[in-house]
Amino acid sequence: DVKVTQSSRYLVKRTGEKVFLECVQDMDHENMFWYRQDPGLGLRLIYFSYDVKMKEKGDIPEGYSVSREKKERFSLILESASTNQTSMYLCASKNAGTGRKDTQYFGPGTRLTVL
Amino acid sequence: AQKITQTQPGMFVQEKEAVTLDCTYDTSDPSYGLFWYKQPSSGEMIFLIYQGSYDQQNATEGRYSLNFQKARKSANLVISASQLGDSAMYFCAMREGLTGANSKLTFGKGITLSVRP
Repeated sequence: DVKVTQSSRYLVKRTGEKVFLECVQDMDHENMFWYRQDPGLGLRLIYFSYDVKMKEKGDIPEGYSVSREKKERFSLILESASTNQTSMYLCASKNAGTGRKDTQYFGPGTRLTVL
Repeated sequence: AQKITQTQPGMFVQEKEAVTLDCTYDTSDPSYGLFWYKQPSSGEMIFLIYQGSYDQQNATEGRYSLNFQKARKSANLVISASQLGDSAMYFCAMREGLTGANSKLTFGKGITLSVRP
């Protein structure tokens, strides 16, 4: 089974703090993704990476950066956390496959509160 | 324009009955894939079913089936014999274009399903 883990289930930070959200997958997947989920808005893509040290902006990259130094690990960084970044953050990974093999597998999510 | 539309505000179904969750999509690409995910209250997104745009038959996975109507651009999820554990939020998602290293998904806003005992 694919296993995607995230460093924290719940996180509380103060405005202006630097925040690191870590995601690790154990299936040697090439692609990794960071989403945020807000009520009524569904999932929105922040950044994704299709290979080590490669990254591409998603739909809402402002205020975020990412790092992928190793294939299994994809980090989301909030340089200076703000209250409007309070959200559920979901990490996902997948192979560069075809059809059903293109399925993304998700971690349990991190609920971040910025005070 | 939204690429994935899920407009049902919230759905209720009696245990053991079937339920259909609606999803319409918008793309001009002839190659695409459609996915359904389930998100229980625990938060983790669970993959349910996949339908490719060139698939001749509707996808089925156990109690889940996909009613794929290409001309109408709809990909409704049908859950047969509902169980209490099916209570969750359900998301429809689309991948446009050929699969590849940098393909990504666009998600709908989700539908909440509640199964009544």
